[in-house]
Amino acid sequence: DAGVTQSPTHLIKTRGQQVTLRCSPKSGHDTVSWYQQALGQGPQFIFQYYEEEERQRGNFPDRFSGHQFPNYSSELNVNALLLGDSALYLCASSERLAGNTDTQYFGPGTRLTVL
Amino acid sequence: LAKTTQPISMDSYEGQEVNITCSHNNIATNDYITWYQQFPSQGPRFIIQGYKTKVTNEVASLFIPADRKSSTLSLPRVSLSDTAVYYCLVGDLYIYNQGGKLIFGQGTELSVKP
Repeated sequence: DAGVTQSPTHLIKTRGQQVTLRCSPKSGHDTVSWYQQALGQGPQFIFQYYEEEERQRGNFPDRFSGHQFPNYSSELNVNALLLGDSALYLCASSERLAGNTDTQYFGPGTRLTVL
Repeated sequence: LAKTTQPISMDSYEGQEVNITCSHNNIATNDYITWYQQFPSQGPRFIIQGYKTKVTNEVASLFIPADRKSSTLSLPRVSLSDTAVYYCLVGDLYIYNQGGKLIFGQGTELSVKP
């Protein structure tokens, strides 16, 4: 049973470009959250998707947008890239079920470098 | 979520027991304490979770005093492969189990030497 998978592993872009990162949740999970982790810092919550809608959002500008597909996979889009967007982007999945005793699972991340 | 404070870094040697303490003075009644481990260029991995007293699993133990204002993650007989960043988080179970927003601090960078 595959865990959370993300693609690509690494990505290099230049300022002003747009990027799309992808995430497939763990089998049986229906909720996907995205985090940004700058070097030396803890992950910062970007937003969460459930039932193909954004349910929670962290303190990130509108340049960051997302999508969830009917198969629960998700995309993170970042427009007008800035140097400060260089980071490890993490996807976490979970099952939004009352009484669920399992925890969130993180993927390996996508390392984005903006030049 | 309650703010947490933990040491920025710790050093240890192989075979030693390592204890990492986290302070969370403003913990709420419904909050649980959860620890995550993160290796370089990988996502955080759940280690252990508890509400009070002591919890033990195959990886670690978690000690929580009666006032719950702090907690201690104990790693028995560490090896080089335990070198990682360890995060202490506090929040209600919904956040961990149903995909709520996790708030990470800077974590504790543990370095295990031979």
